[in-house]
Amino acid sequence: AQTVTQSQPEMSVQEAETVTLSCTYDTSENNYYLFWYKQPPSRQMILVIRQEAYKQQNATENRFSVNFQKAAKSFSLKISDSQLGDTAMYFCAFLRSSGTYKYIFGTGTRLKVLA
Amino acid sequence: DTAVSQTPKYLVTQMGNDKSIKCEQNLGHDTMYWYKQDSKKFLKIMFSYNNKELIINETVPNRFSPKSPDKAHLNLHINSLELGDSAVYFCASSTRTGTDGYTFGSGTRLTVV
Repeated sequence: AQTVTQSQPEMSVQEAETVTLSCTYDTSENNYYLFWYKQPPSRQMILVIRQEAYKQQNATENRFSVNFQKAAKSFSLKISDSQLGDTAMYFCAFLRSSGTYKYIFGTGTRLKVLA
Repeated sequence: DTAVSQTPKYLVTQMGNDKSIKCEQNLGHDTMYWYKQDSKKFLKIMFSYNNKELIINETVPNRFSPKSPDKAHLNLHINSLELGDSAVYFCASSTRTGTDGYTFGSGTRLTVV
């Protein structure tokens, strides 16, 4: 069974600085997808970034980028130029690409951006 | 304009009552989901429907019954509510496989007193 681990329950970063959130996962699958979701205090879950396991290139979306290390089963999220609006819970999620399609979520990292 | 809308946003009810949460999506997605987020923010899937067919039914008490009248709607009915049912319930939708990501509703905070 797949598992997703986020080892940092809470983190903080100064505004305009860079922060990296870690995520590791365990799977025997070769093809799968990984996601980062953001949940601000408003409670809405928002897709931040997506990575396909068969693509070597790390995904990037504006200030958000990932470091995907397939052999190490690691999928970290880097937020550059942190903004106050980045304050939120961040969830890493795993989705296998065959069989039953359901996310396995990590336990989340609470990120606070300090002014 | 809301892509996935859930109603109500907040629900406070007494133990033993029956309640429903409604979800609608206007994205043309084939698959819809119910997730439960507990007090520690842990997200766990409850049900998934693909084009009105139940495809995921996790270990959930049978007091919870999903209903999908068409592929744009997925409702959740809960009988005989218990204190432990207090949580935030999220509806989400996606393409058939979900590989492009989910679109979530804004959640329903259910409080059982």
